[in-house]
Amino acid sequence: GQNIDQPTEMTATEGAIVQINCTYQTSGFNGLFWYQQHAGEAPTFLSYNVLDGLEEKGRFSSFLSRSKGYSYLLLKELQMKDSASYLCAVADSNYQLIWGAGTKLIIKP
Amino acid sequence: IAGITQAPTSQILAAGRRMTLRCTQDMRHNAMYWYRQDLGLGLRLIHYSNTAGTTGKGEVPDGYSVSRANTDDFPLTLASAVPSQTSVYFCASSPGGYDTGELFFGEGSRLTVL
Repeated sequence: GQNIDQPTEMTATEGAIVQINCTYQTSGFNGLFWYQQHAGEAPTFLSYNVLDGLEEKGRFSSFLSRSKGYSYLLLKELQMKDSASYLCAVADSNYQLIWGAGTKLIIKP
Repeated sequence: IAGITQAPTSQILAAGRRMTLRCTQDMRHNAMYWYRQDLGLGLRLIHYSNTAGTTGKGEVPDGYSVSRANTDDFPLTLASAVPSQTSVYFCASSPGGYDTGELFFGEGSRLTVL
């Protein structure tokens, strides 16, 4: 079966760095997405990786290793507004998105 | 403001009743999707449409139907609601067809079936 695993919850301190991991097992691979979802709101797109390596976008970076079935989202200089759930999703061989359950990130002052 | 509009934002429904969740987008995106989101589970695809006039079944289609008469509208109908359909429903769209690309989500419809 197809599976996306990510930690249920993480806690970090304002101003610090946090890494949210995502491992996947899917039938085929056509890219990995990270979305941010604040409580009670819609998911919003953060990043897309289809090739191995690191993609940097401001305070957020996303890394992919296709051979290991692994990705991480790195958040630097954490701000209170970064408190949200972070969703990992993989596009399979049919370009259908398989979603992880999300990682709830709690930022403490 | 461009984007996706869902209605209603929240609804309490008696079991056995019929319910239609509305979704409209003004971005002229070809592909549209309906997901449900339940605590502890990832988003699960109910139905999708790659272009106007076509629809397809997702991971959890039973008890739901959709139509895509035009590019902008993609309503989701629960013919006879059951308590297990209590969930938050998200409509989404993307510019491409089979190529998912970035998804743009509506604000969600919280449905409670009693």
